Amino acid sequence: QKEVEQDPGPLSVPEGAIVSLNCTYSNSAFQYFMWYRQYSRKGPELLMYTYSSGNKEDGRFTAQVDKSSKYISLFIRDSQPSDSATYLCAMKLTGGGNKLTFGTGTQLKVEL
Amino acid sequence: NAGVTQTPKFRILKIGQSMTLQCTQDMNHNYMYWYRQDPGMGLKLIYYSVGAGITDKGEVPNGYNVSRSTTEDFPLRLELAAPSQTSVYFCASTEFLDRVYTGELFFGEGSRLTVL
Repeated sequence: QKEVEQDPGPLSVPEGAIVSLNCTYSNSAFQYFMWYRQYSRKGPELLMYTYSSGNKEDGRFTAQVDKSSKYISLFIRDSQPSDSATYLCAMKLTGGGNKLTFGTGTQLKVEL
Repeated sequence: NAGVTQTPKFRILKIGQSMTLQCTQDMNHNYMYWYRQDPGMGLKLIYYSVGAGITDKGEVPNGYNVSRSTTEDFPLRLELAAPSQTSVYFCASTEFLDRVYTGELFFGEGSRLTVL
């Protein structure tokens, strides 16, 4: 079993749709949860960061962490063509050299 | 600030050749990382460093070596290149701000390596 599982997609939605992206994980010691966005032929960039459980909202983006189910989600409201990218979840233990464990990424395409 | 700069952007190697991927950051970050990204496989950690003079292995270190003689530079050396090392390589850096973890890795734009 992989430490972090993520559906690779591709996921295609019409403009304006609500998008739900998800990751599951097996290591209950993960405490820090991130979502990175990666445009084609670019490096990933941090989109959302959550510590431990709960929700966090930033504009059209909402990140949720459910530690009891070992499940994290990223919701994108009113999706735009500019949201077309690969979304990678990432997780970190406390300490440990700040090493992140990444999911495989979900490719999202928002169509006009 | 330029952020994290990687060179070269593209390179084709023959089996058995060696090369060094360069990575420089100008943010004075102590933590630096090398990842490789293969299609459908996400990012796998090759090596990382928590400061100048300190390096450690990640998940997939075989066939690679690193050094960290300065805070700014973290080169990745490929010895005896193999087709399995065909990948996109990303260098990244981060730092605690006031001892608070921010969750943010700053990535370079990647180096695309093909071994034929």
